[in-house]
Amino acid sequence: QKEVEQNSGPLSVPEGAIASLNCTYSDRGSQSFFWYRQYSGKSPELIMFIYSNGDKEDGRFTAQLNKASQYVSLLIRDSQPSDSATYLCASQGGGSQGNLIFGKGTKLSVKP
Amino acid sequence: KAGVTQTPRYLIKTRGQQVTLSCSPISGHRSVSWYQQTPGQGLQFLFEYFSETQRNKGNFPGRFSGRQFSNSRSEMNVSTLELGDSALYLCASSPTDYEQFFGPGTRLTVL
Repeated sequence: QKEVEQNSGPLSVPEGAIASLNCTYSDRGSQSFFWYRQYSGKSPELIMFIYSNGDKEDGRFTAQLNKASQYVSLLIRDSQPSDSATYLCASQGGGSQGNLIFGKGTKLSVKP
Repeated sequence: KAGVTQTPRYLIKTRGQQVTLSCSPISGHRSVSWYQQTPGQGLQFLFEYFSETQRNKGNFPGRFSGRQFSNSRSEMNVSTLELGDSALYLCASSPTDYEQFFGPGTRLTVL
């Protein structure tokens, strides 16, 4: 059974702090990893994806991947109240294995 | 570019009925995937279509089916509805084998 595990939270950080969201996955064959943000009552919105070991930065967001440890993380710098949402981590197999396997999400609350 | 559209946005059905949901992908996207989201189980993969062919299928009973048309639009059907089928059904389209973009979803309530 391929699984993606996330701490459900809630994770509470003060405005301006760094929020660190973590995720582990069970399938060593997973090739790509995605972070989605989902506001209450809305559909998931893609923040970024990563498929190589190391860090990938996009604005205030940094995704980190460690395939040896089967670990993915998302750092949000200078957190804003508008970042308050549920963050979903997803893994994807390679090639035509297009389906995403999602964790149940971590709820982030950024306090002003 | 217009995003993924799903219709209807809300549906109320009774047990035993069937329902058809529709998804129009982003223009140029040939892959369409369907997911079910519930508070208890989170987001679960139903199936994926690419060029009118089902390419992947999740662990759902045969009551859940889908298809894709030549214009990449997709439909999913749920027959003999059960109370547990109440969920948000999300469609996602993809231009490649990587990132997927979600539509607003169809909220199905089964009474």
